Amino acid sequence: AQSVSQHNHHVILSEAASLELGCNYSYGGTVNLFWYVQYPGQHLQLLLKYFSGDPLVKGIKGFEAEFIKSKFSFNLRKPSVQWSDTAEYFCAVNGNTDKLIFGTGTRLQVFP
Amino acid sequence: KAGVTQTPRYLIKTRGQQVTLSCSPISGHRSVSWYQQTPGQGLQFLFEYFSETQRNKGNFPGRFSGRQFSNSRSEMNVSTLELGDSALYLCASSPQATYEQYFGPGTRLTVT
Repeated sequence: AQSVSQHNHHVILSEAASLELGCNYSYGGTVNLFWYVQYPGQHLQLLLKYFSGDPLVKGIKGFEAEFIKSKFSFNLRKPSVQWSDTAEYFCAVNGNTDKLIFGTGTRLQVFP
Repeated sequence: KAGVTQTPRYLIKTRGQQVTLSCSPISGHRSVSWYQQTPGQGLQFLFEYFSETQRNKGNFPGRFSGRQFSNSRSEMNVSTLELGDSALYLCASSPQATYEQYFGPGTRLTVT
């Protein structure tokens, strides 16, 4: 069965700090990978996605993620966070079905 | 294009009752998925419908059911409500050929 692990449950940073959120998945076949963000009081929005091609994908708001197949990882990065990045971040994986399996989420708090 | 809409946005029910939630996908999207979001369990996949057929089902009891209509609108039903069913129920739609899902704002169900 597919599963997704997000090891960082709660991350606290100051503005301008760099961010890296871990995501590992368990599925041996071809995968589609996603990062979603949920800002306070808002619905889930797609940050970025990987289907194939360049393993370094760029998303909205300066976020990027790198797919490392050998490590079954799809970590999210941002060089310099802003207070407005405070949100919950979810990694999600879709393998050979139309089920989207989510990680448990990482709550990011950015202080000015 | 209008986004995914869900009605009602908030609902309070008592144990033993049943509830029906509604989801209207983005125009042209034929796949609709449902998720349950709780603080402890995160986002858990309930089921996915495509062209009125259930293609995938998560690990939820039979009290949780759904259907999709010919216009792609979907409903989710929970019978014999339990306190543990209190959650945010999210609907997501996607185009036919991709796995990128667009989420609605959710229905907040409280069971007392």
